[in-house]
Amino acid sequence: QKEVEQNSGPLSVPEGAIASLNCTYSDRVSQSFFWYRQYSGKSPELIMSIYSNGDKEDGRFTAQLNKASQYVSLLIRDSQPSDSATYLCAVNPLRGGYNKLIFGAGTRLAVHP
Amino acid sequence: DGGITQSPKYLFRKEGQNVTLSCEQNLNHDAMYWYRQDPGQGLRLIYYSQIVNDFQKGDIAEGYSVSREKKESFPLTVTSAQKNPTAFYLCASSGLAGESSYNEQFFGPGTRLTVL
Repeated sequence: QKEVEQNSGPLSVPEGAIASLNCTYSDRVSQSFFWYRQYSGKSPELIMSIYSNGDKEDGRFTAQLNKASQYVSLLIRDSQPSDSATYLCAVNPLRGGYNKLIFGAGTRLAVHP
Repeated sequence: DGGITQSPKYLFRKEGQNVTLSCEQNLNHDAMYWYRQDPGQGLRLIYYSQIVNDFQKGDIAEGYSVSREKKESFPLTVTSAQKNPTAFYLCASSGLAGESSYNEQFFGPGTRLTVL
């Protein structure tokens, strides 16, 4: 079992719709969770971080965390073609006090006009 | 402007050559990291450092070496022992673990290495 799992996609949504991206993780003691957006050929850009159960909203983005189910998701409202990218989920289990991230392979999102 | 710079953007290596990738940050971050990304795969940790003159191996350290002589700099050397070095190399930095907002890692623009 991979430590961080994401559906590779592509997830195709029409412009203006809600895109829902999901991620599960295996280490129950994980404390910090992150979503990165990566455009083709570019480096990852941090778009959301979440540390406690529930929802966290930032503009069109909402991160949802459920530690009991070991599940974190990212919702993108009013999706735009410029949101087309690969979204990477990252988890920090804080093992040994080190700030190491474990990444999923990413979900490719395609927003079509 | 605070940020992370990596150079060069593209690098070509011949078989048997060592090459060094540069990473510099002016974010005053204590921790720095090197990742490798292969097509269709997530990021894999090569080395990380939490303090000057100290670093630890990540998941795929074989064939790589690093140094941390200054807080701002964390160069990565890809040695000839690395059998499949063609990949996208990403440097990141963060604060130290323990403070929630300091867990966030920020990435440089990356170096794309190709073996000829």
